[in-house]
Amino acid sequence: GESVGLHLPTLSVQEGDNSIINCAYSNSASDYFIWYKQESGKGPQFIIDIRSNMDKRQGQRVTVLLNKTVKHLSLQIAATQPGDSAVYFCAEIGNSGYSTLTFGKGTMLLVSP
Amino acid sequence: DAGITQSPRYKITETGRQVTLMCHQTWSHSYMFWYRQDLGHGLRLIYYSAAADITDKGEVPDGYVVSRSKTENFPLTLESATRSQTSVYFCASSETNEQFFGPGTRLTVL
Repeated sequence: GESVGLHLPTLSVQEGDNSIINCAYSNSASDYFIWYKQESGKGPQFIIDIRSNMDKRQGQRVTVLLNKTVKHLSLQIAATQPGDSAVYFCAEIGNSGYSTLTFGKGTMLLVSP
Repeated sequence: DAGITQSPRYKITETGRQVTLMCHQTWSHSYMFWYRQDLGHGLRLIYYSAAADITDKGEVPDGYVVSRSKTENFPLTLESATRSQTSVYFCASSETNEQFFGPGTRLTVL
């Protein structure tokens, strides 16, 4: 599939390490945030979401942190595995009434065995 | 249980030709979306639809036309393709805030 990783920020980690992927969002009125994972040649896949009234949400091996003061979102992946290698996007939803997402430009995560 | 499908998966066309990309979902989701993905730009919304016969422009609608006569289908048409429309196109559907994406169509305009 097409490489969307060129020109993207890249995070390289060793298998078993914890990974932290950061995202700055622009709209202070956004009330919902999602992290997506995109593997090469595939469409984005939902990982975890968080509402603006929360600071932290945990899933299986993933945690999302939201800092509304500085408009910053992070995705923490515990015990990173080679299968986690992908491009990760944060996305925000404003209060437009429709569920339109605004995506960040993405970060490529490379996990070495 | 197909979920959301796109066709064709790959398409090569020439400048000035009309091209239609198809999107079909089996979940009866109300919302459907078309995005394009380009290096350095991430995913950008072209058009979206809240229900059959309701469509609206996204961030980059110029040069594209959509229709939604049935809930399950949301075709995207490039009326006169240009080289700048070379991209990977993703369709998505949702009933809540979580959008489910199709596998994408890689379009090359020569």
